Amino acid sequence: NAGVTQTPKFQVLKTGQSMTLQCAQDMNHEYMSWYRQDPGMGLRLIHYSVGAGITDQGEVPNGYNVSRSTTEDFPLRLLSAAPSQTSVYFCASSYSAGLSYGYTFGSGTRLTVV
Amino acid sequence: GENVGLHLPTLSVQEGDNSIINCAYSNSASDYFIWYKQESGKGPQFIIDIRSNMDKRQGQRVTVLLNKTVKHLSLQIAATQPGDSAVYFCAESGAGSYQLTFGKGTKLSVIP
Repeated sequence: NAGVTQTPKFQVLKTGQSMTLQCAQDMNHEYMSWYRQDPGMGLRLIHYSVGAGITDQGEVPNGYNVSRSTTEDFPLRLLSAAPSQTSVYFCASSYSAGLSYGYTFGSGTRLTVV
Repeated sequence: GENVGLHLPTLSVQEGDNSIINCAYSNSASDYFIWYKQESGKGPQFIIDIRSNMDKRQGQRVTVLLNKTVKHLSLQIAATQPGDSAVYFCAESGAGSYQLTFGKGTKLSVIP
């Protein structure tokens, strides 16, 4: 049981490049989400999904796309990277809307856009 | 990651002492509250949660107190250990909502 797995752990992009951050969970969680973490800003919600085929925007969705074709996977796409997207990205999942025991977080992807 | 601790409130405590970390929230409709611990280079880890119909909840060496009147949440850690050194975040959500709103965090440093 691996929990929430994020890849890659580190990435450097040039401005304008695109990439996909991968997130997979093996706990059969319905809910998955992406957060970004910046110094002094806490974690901010980018996009979330309440089940396969359903996604919605969070607090800071601009510049990011997501899809949820399976229960297990929830990739985050940057179509044209900008320096403002330099951050640490966390994927999280939860079993139910009750949020009992909170979310399970991945170990993060540190992205630098130059 | 390593930059999480920048610009954060910091609490330094002696090993063995009790720690109290505070969090203020603004949404009176918040129904569910969680404390997370984040060690350097790792993702947030669940510590303890509490619902708005409770004032206090205890776990192993940790206690969360909720004061809805003043919208204040606190995390108490008993007999603080070096392994407790981390950044601690509170988070809140509304009834039935999946969305968590996180506070900015407090860095706890334990002095051996």
